[in-house]
Amino acid sequence: QSALTQPASVSGSPGQSITISCTGTSSDVGGYNYVSWYQQHPGKAPKLMIYDVSKRPSGVSNRFSGSKSGNTASLTISGLQAEDEADYYCCSYAGSSTLVFGGGTKLTVL
Amino acid sequence: QVQLVQSGAEVKKPGSSVKVSCKASGGTFSSYAISWVRQAPGQGLEWMGGIIPIFGTANYAQKFQGRVTITADESTSTAYMELSSLRSEDTAVYYCANRYCSSTSCYTNAFDIWGQGTMVTVSS
Repeated sequence: QSALTQPASVSGSPGQSITISCTGTSSDVGGYNYVSWYQQHPGKAPKLMIYDVSKRPSGVSNRFSGSKSGNTASLTISGLQAEDEADYYCCSYAGSSTLVFGGGTKLTVL
Repeated sequence: QVQLVQSGAEVKKPGSSVKVSCKASGGTFSSYAISWVRQAPGQGLEWMGGIIPIFGTANYAQKFQGRVTITADESTSTAYMELSSLRSEDTAVYYCANRYCSSTSCYTNAFDIWGQGTMVTVSS
């Protein structure tokens, strides 16, 4: 169970769109439609942003969207806002009732 | 509203064990699916394992097999995570988290309710 691969950092200007990738294998990301995404601000607990690849929990802005192609899942944030600056983590089901997280991506809003 | 309240910070010696509790309020504990996730200082999230109290059987990440034990006590609506043979690399914030439930379904592989975190420091 190796950690999923995410870029260490991404950045964008307010109003722009950014995409964070999350690459795994056919044993996790590619094998199941159970990818979730979390936002974490410093010193805070993670917040669920996307589940089951592309579904948004109630209360999460529709500026956040998720998708998957093969072994790579993606989180897209449109209309970037200052408060989107945070760390983002993907998480995938990996079989046998286990989960695996990505290494995390630091989003900077310029 | 479902809430998870964890036990307080711990300082442990290398080689010892730590047991962190996670008390749930609101909802029906037997319908919960609790996972434990840790985060070392400045590092990412790491899933350790999880349990569905109504079933009682826990599942663990391969990395922690044999060193972690996750249990749940329905009588007190409390989940526990015990980590043994502690080493300095286990210094981290440990979170418990409960699965997300919409108005119609629950999703065991996503967590929307998190405890406040418990800092465990392993130092001689």
